[in-house]
Amino acid sequence: NAGVTQTPKFRILKIGQSMTLQCTQDMNHNYMYWYRQDPGMGLKLIYYSVGAGITDKGEVPNGYNVSRSTTEDFPLRLELAAPSQTSVYFCASSSGRVLYGYTFGSGTRLTVV
Amino acid sequence: DAKTTQPPSMDCAEGRAANLPCNHSTISGNEYVYWYRQIHSQGPQYIIHGLKNNETNEMASLIITEDRKSSTLILPHATLRDTAVYYCIVRVDTGTASKLTFGTGTRLQVTL
Repeated sequence: NAGVTQTPKFRILKIGQSMTLQCTQDMNHNYMYWYRQDPGMGLKLIYYSVGAGITDKGEVPNGYNVSRSTTEDFPLRLELAAPSQTSVYFCASSSGRVLYGYTFGSGTRLTVV
Repeated sequence: DAKTTQPPSMDCAEGRAANLPCNHSTISGNEYVYWYRQIHSQGPQYIIHGLKNNETNEMASLIITEDRKSSTLILPHATLRDTAVYYCIVRVDTGTASKLTFGTGTRLQVTL
């Protein structure tokens, strides 16, 4: 089982550039999430989705966009990169039922210069 | 979700039991206690969860007090590979979007 796959693993962007962080899961989970983690801090929720075609904002959505056209994929879009978006980004999925925990990807380390 | 309080750091000798405390005094009756850990900037890993009763799996044991206001994660025989940040999370499963909120956790250092 691949679980949750994130690409790329590392990326350096210049201020004002845009990019898409890819996230794919093969567990048929309905719920998917994007978190960011700044150095020495906990994870903060950016966006989440409860199923294909349905997305909602988390705690820190500004500067990001998401879409969920399929159950498997949940890409995160940065339109105008800013240094404040330098962080490690984690994608996660869950079945939504309390008996099942979240499965996280290995993360994308993004630096904006 | 109820607020949780964890010590920022703990040390444990290899082979000994690591006992990680968590306070969640405002927990409500339908909120579960979840534990995750994050090893050196990897994605967080699910460890265990419980509602009222004590739970045990191949990774750890979870002890929840009778009043449910605190819990302890026990790693029975800590190894160097258990060095990580451990997050205690209280969450209600709404059946719609069950969002996990992560604090800063406890940084466990296992030493020789």
